[in-house]
Amino acid sequence: NAGVMQNPRHLVRRRGQEARLRCSPMKGHSHVYWYRQLPEEGLKFMVYLQKENIIDESGMPKERFSAEFPKEGPSILRIQQVVRGDSAAYFCASSPPEGRGEKLFFGSGTQLSVL
Amino acid sequence: AQSVTQLDSQVPVFEEAPVELRCNYSSSVSVYLFWYVQYPNQGLQLLLKYLSGSTLVKGINGFEAEFNKSQTSFHLRKPSVHISDTAEYFCAVSDRGDYKLSFGAGTTVTVRA
Repeated sequence: NAGVMQNPRHLVRRRGQEARLRCSPMKGHSHVYWYRQLPEEGLKFMVYLQKENIIDESGMPKERFSAEFPKEGPSILRIQQVVRGDSAAYFCASSPPEGRGEKLFFGSGTQLSVL
Repeated sequence: AQSVTQLDSQVPVFEEAPVELRCNYSSSVSVYLFWYVQYPNQGLQLLLKYLSGSTLVKGINGFEAEFNKSQTSFHLRKPSVHISDTAEYFCAVSDRGDYKLSFGAGTTVTVRA
């Protein structure tokens, strides 16, 4: 997982606040994926992005969650009006342009705690 | 969508003993299979993967896994564990050529001296 940078490592928010999670992919990787790990569960796919494009957001909750991967800068996962159920570890992965599962590299994750 | 079952949520084991972590998946179509490890306070690290070829796959840190298509299983083994193998282990599967991974709920391995 060397090279996929996520920040912050830990994020504490009160209910109703906004959370912004950042992910910088590995050098040479143009595809970014976000996964969420709820307590006692495995990782669940949320969204797949390429630069300036959302390719697949089938795993994103319908409300309050959004993701972007701008032309410049990191990918951002944004959660508006956070609730306690949003507390989880959020992992970002990146892959080269071929964009397949066997070429994913994961970051260290952001642990979001909602008070 | 694939579903992945890791049959043991917690596996305590003594140092230098063998360990086996069980993983079954739902689909019979062509798949890629993975084992990831998450050490305390760290991210996911790929241990090994099966894409094609030999059904016995060797990974890092002395781990190996065997793909059994008829039983839709991909069990992970290590003949002799160390204290440093204490971690959470995740089995994952993707349809061949797909970018989405489906993960199991994880198995926590605790190695005691």
